[in-house]
Amino acid sequence: DVKVTQSSRYLVKRTGEKVFLECVQDMDHENMFWYRQDPGLGLRLIYFSYDVKMKEKGDIPEGYSVSREKKERFSLILESASTNQTSMYLCASKGQGGTEAFFGQGTRLTVV
Amino acid sequence: AQSVTQLDSQVPVFEEAPVELRCNYSSSVSVYLFWYVQYPNQGLQLLLKYLSGSTLVKGINGFEAEFNKSQTSFHLRKPSVHISDTAEYFCAVNIFYNQGGKLIFGQGTELSVKP
Repeated sequence: DVKVTQSSRYLVKRTGEKVFLECVQDMDHENMFWYRQDPGLGLRLIYFSYDVKMKEKGDIPEGYSVSREKKERFSLILESASTNQTSMYLCASKGQGGTEAFFGQGTRLTVV
Repeated sequence: AQSVTQLDSQVPVFEEAPVELRCNYSSSVSVYLFWYVQYPNQGLQLLLKYLSGSTLVKGINGFEAEFNKSQTSFHLRKPSVHISDTAEYFCAVNIFYNQGGKLIFGQGTELSVKP
């Protein structure tokens, strides 16, 4: 069974904290993605990576950074959490070309 | 810039009626096209995809979609919906980027099937 695992299902953090969201996949996929999902806005791409140590900005990278030191792990970092980063965060991994993307269960982050 | 636009945010429909969920995309390079479904309190799963060849593709649960290159559209259809089709549907495009692909999604369409 293919798996994309996100480290936390629910997180509550304080404004200004540095937050780490972890994602691990076991499918040896080259491509990994971080999205945030908000009602009415769909899934918005934050960052993606097509190889170890490679990263590319998505459509809403401001306030976020990422790290991919190993092929199976892709971390999203909120440098200084703000209340407008309260959201559902989804990680996905995908092989090359037209292959299907697989998603983690999501992390619901609340910043207070 | 690349983008995906789902033209309807909510689609209410009665059971056994046909439905069409609309999707348009913008890209200057070739893309692969997908539809994903998210049932209440569940993760996203693939419904169908278009890579090449026949422009009409069939997916799971009786859904199908038609790729129209001239109109840059990829509309999703089902001839007769069931209550169990109530979910949020997302159109997505995979855009070739460096050695990998950039996968972007539309805003989602909430399909609500009423008895």
